[in-house]
Amino acid sequence: IAGITQAPTSQILAAGRRMTLRCTQDMRHNAMYWYRQDLGLGLRLIHYSNTAGTTGKGEVPDGYSVSRANTDDFPLTLASAVPSQTSVYFCASSDGTEDTGELFFGEGSRLTVL
Amino acid sequence: GQNIDQPTEMTATEGAIVQINCTYQTSGFNGLFWYQQHAGEAPTFLSYNVLDGLEEKGRFSSFLSRSKGYSYLLLKELQMKDSASYLCAGTDSNYQLIWGAGTKLIIKP
Repeated sequence: IAGITQAPTSQILAAGRRMTLRCTQDMRHNAMYWYRQDLGLGLRLIHYSNTAGTTGKGEVPDGYSVSRANTDDFPLTLASAVPSQTSVYFCASSDGTEDTGELFFGEGSRLTVL
Repeated sequence: GQNIDQPTEMTATEGAIVQINCTYQTSGFNGLFWYQQHAGEAPTFLSYNVLDGLEEKGRFSSFLSRSKGYSYLLLKELQMKDSASYLCAGTDSNYQLIWGAGTKLIIKP
């Protein structure tokens, strides 16, 4: 494969449960990002990582955590899911920084929290 | 405040030309992106403008005016497959992207 793979594609989750969304890229990009996309709103950045071993908070980080143990993987964890976290989650990567490099997106993970 | 505004929805006819506008208010601006997103799919990159002026890529062109905080995406010879949402994004003072909510473009035969 070439690009970004996200898993799962879709998930229904009970409130209070822990959930990890997986993201893997094979383009050797330094920077990776997690966005959520909600109807009527623009993409909102949750967390990002400019290089392996470093992470940063985006616009809406509360309730989410990330790790970047290596270049390829950037999982997003919801420690205790709440209904407001129902959304479509996109992982993305770039070989530059977010504001100068083209972003490559995964196909998205649709999460429903009941 | 920092804001990206674009129309919610537009309708155009197959074979015609459509212009999708985007206005932005951000402190610390580097450039402006346009992405295309088909329903249920991931956004894909269309263009990135840093300098004022028009950049053409086949049927798609993108324009930027930094002094006016304005950009547009021009789609020519519309095809049914161009039915999608078009996302505008600019940078803020933290060099992170601020995204518009997207313009849903409906193409009619």
